[in-house]
Amino acid sequence: SAVISQKPSRDICQRGTSLTIQCQVDSQVTMMFWYRQQPGQSLTLIATANQGSEATYESGFVIDKFPISRPNLTFSTLTVSNMSPEDSSIYLCSVFTSDYGYTFGSGTRLTVV
Amino acid sequence: EDKVVQSPLSLVVHEGDTVTLNCSYEVTNFRSLLWYKQEKKAPTFLFMLTSSGIEKKSGRLSSILDKKELFSILNITATQTGDSAVYLCALHSGGSNYKLTFGKGTLLTVNP
Repeated sequence: SAVISQKPSRDICQRGTSLTIQCQVDSQVTMMFWYRQQPGQSLTLIATANQGSEATYESGFVIDKFPISRPNLTFSTLTVSNMSPEDSSIYLCSVFTSDYGYTFGSGTRLTVV
Repeated sequence: EDKVVQSPLSLVVHEGDTVTLNCSYEVTNFRSLLWYKQEKKAPTFLFMLTSSGIEKKSGRLSSILDKKELFSILNITATQTGDSAVYLCALHSGGSNYKLTFGKGTLLTVNP
């Protein structure tokens, strides 16, 4: 299956600051997704980031808060901007390939203080 | 809007017990239902189900889908402490959008 390297693994950030999370895939993939998992909750899709087009955001998520870059078929970043304690979550990137289905990155545990 | 409901939300068993986890769903255009195990942060893939009545099996884990009654179950036999995790059910619905809709998960704790 596709192997995804996600960084950072965890971080503790001050409110009002921003954090950029990176995902590097070991093969070229078209479809990449960013999820959030708030404490005690399930995974919620933030946006779909397909290379060559603007990211598509789900209801409740906006580009100003969660800007996404997808410069090529193996890399993407998600920025959590102007953070508040409510942004404390696990953030996960995921890719879909027809051969292996869905694969997830190792996740980023963000704590905002 | 697609919906996935898992039950129970948490479960505590002893090693050697057999457990059944439930996942019911509402969907407008079904493509597949997936089960994941989440121990720390990253979900790991267990099963993908597309057809009713066909059991998928991997070691002590098995799963089956009922598309008429809109549910799936995940069975774990002879549970071990290493099975302790959150088990997630996810729905892939139709169209060109490949996003997944997740349930809240079942937290399974296996005590020695």
